[in-house]
Amino acid sequence: AQSVAQPEDQVNVAEGNPLTVKCTYSVSGNPYLFWYVQYPNRGLQFLLKYITGDNLVKGSYGFEAEFNKSQTSFHLKKPSALVSDSALYFCAVRDNTNAGKSTFGDGTTLTVKP
Amino acid sequence: DTAVSQTPKYLVTQMGNDKSIKCEQNLGHDTMYWYKQDSKKFLKIMFSYNNKELIINETVPNRFSPKSPDKAHLNLHINSLELGDSAVYFCASSQDRGVYEQYFGPGTRLTVT
Repeated sequence: AQSVAQPEDQVNVAEGNPLTVKCTYSVSGNPYLFWYVQYPNRGLQFLLKYITGDNLVKGSYGFEAEFNKSQTSFHLKKPSALVSDSALYFCAVRDNTNAGKSTFGDGTTLTVKP
Repeated sequence: DTAVSQTPKYLVTQMGNDKSIKCEQNLGHDTMYWYKQDSKKFLKIMFSYNNKELIINETVPNRFSPKSPDKAHLNLHINSLELGDSAVYFCASSQDRGVYEQYFGPGTRLTVT
């Protein structure tokens, strides 16, 4: 069975500081990993994904994530946080079977203070 | 243009009623999903269809029945609504299974009284 852990319910950073939102996963075989963001009263929006290749992937809004196979992690990062980055972030893992089921983490609320 | 749309946006109903939520995507995607997000914001997959074929059917009460008339539409019908069904239901689509990201609709907030 596959699983995703987001160990922090809440991350608080000051505007302009770097941010990290943590994610670890467990899956049989090669993982497909995704980050999504959810703003209040909205659906989830795709940020970035790792399928294969370069361990550092870049996505929307200046976000990036680093895939670390030995630590089974896929942390989301941004060099300089904006107040508008405040939202709920979900990490997801997808299996590479025919069904392609996604399992989402419990979410991390990011608050960026001016 | 709205990529994934859901109707209605809000649904308030009484216990025991039957209701439906409709979803449409105009992205030309082959795969569609229903998710439930509870009051703690936890997101759980319920169903997935690929080219109108059911491929994921999680442990969901059989009061919930998805229907896919064509690959652009995936509807969710709920019979005999219970208080615990209150949640936000999201429809999503992806180009196919596996490596493709999902595009989510705006959600339907269901409140059962």
